[in-house]
Amino acid sequence: AQKVTQAQTEISVVEKEDVTLDCVYETRDTTYYLFWYKQPPSGELVFLIRRNSFDEQNEISGRYSWNFQKSTSSFNFTITASQVVDSAVYFCALRLEYGNKLVFGAGTILRVKS
Amino acid sequence: DVKVTQSSRYLVKRTGEKVFLECVQDMDHENMFWYRQDPGLGLRLIYFSYDVKMKEKGDIPEGYSVSREKKERFSLILESASTNQTSMYLCASSLSPYASGNLEQYFGPGTRLTVT
Repeated sequence: AQKVTQAQTEISVVEKEDVTLDCVYETRDTTYYLFWYKQPPSGELVFLIRRNSFDEQNEISGRYSWNFQKSTSSFNFTITASQVVDSAVYFCALRLEYGNKLVFGAGTILRVKS
Repeated sequence: DVKVTQSSRYLVKRTGEKVFLECVQDMDHENMFWYRQDPGLGLRLIYFSYDVKMKEKGDIPEGYSVSREKKERFSLILESASTNQTSMYLCASSLSPYASGNLEQYFGPGTRLTVT
């Protein structure tokens, strides 16, 4: 069975601080996809990134970066120079290669204070 | 852009009422999903559908049923609402995993249901 763990329930930072959201996953399959979603106060989940299990390159997109390490089954998300607009719930999720379902972590609430 | 819409943002129902939550997507996606979101539990899959009239139970199907008569529309039905079904309900859609293209699920804005 697949499992995604986001151990950080809630994180509070001050604007311009860097913050890392942790994600650890479990699966016995060799081919899978990992995702990060953002859920702002409006409620709609917004897709941020997808990474497949064969691609361990880190990715950077503006202030966002992702560190995928198969050896530790982790897919961590870092926001550099956080802003108040980054305040949201962030979800990490896992999907198998030919699976339909996403398995979500419990989510991390990020509060960025000005 | 993919658009997933849900019929209501907020809904208040009484215990025992039959409740319909509607979801429509406009991208011809094969898959559609209903999730329930509760604090500390993340998103839990209730049901999903991979084709018209086809459905599969998710992790927490008890107390719910679904209907997919048209490809673009997926309905969640609470036959007899109970207070423990007070929650945020999220609909999503995606391509089949066997199709080429984006693999992401696209989500609607959610319906916050309160059962009193």
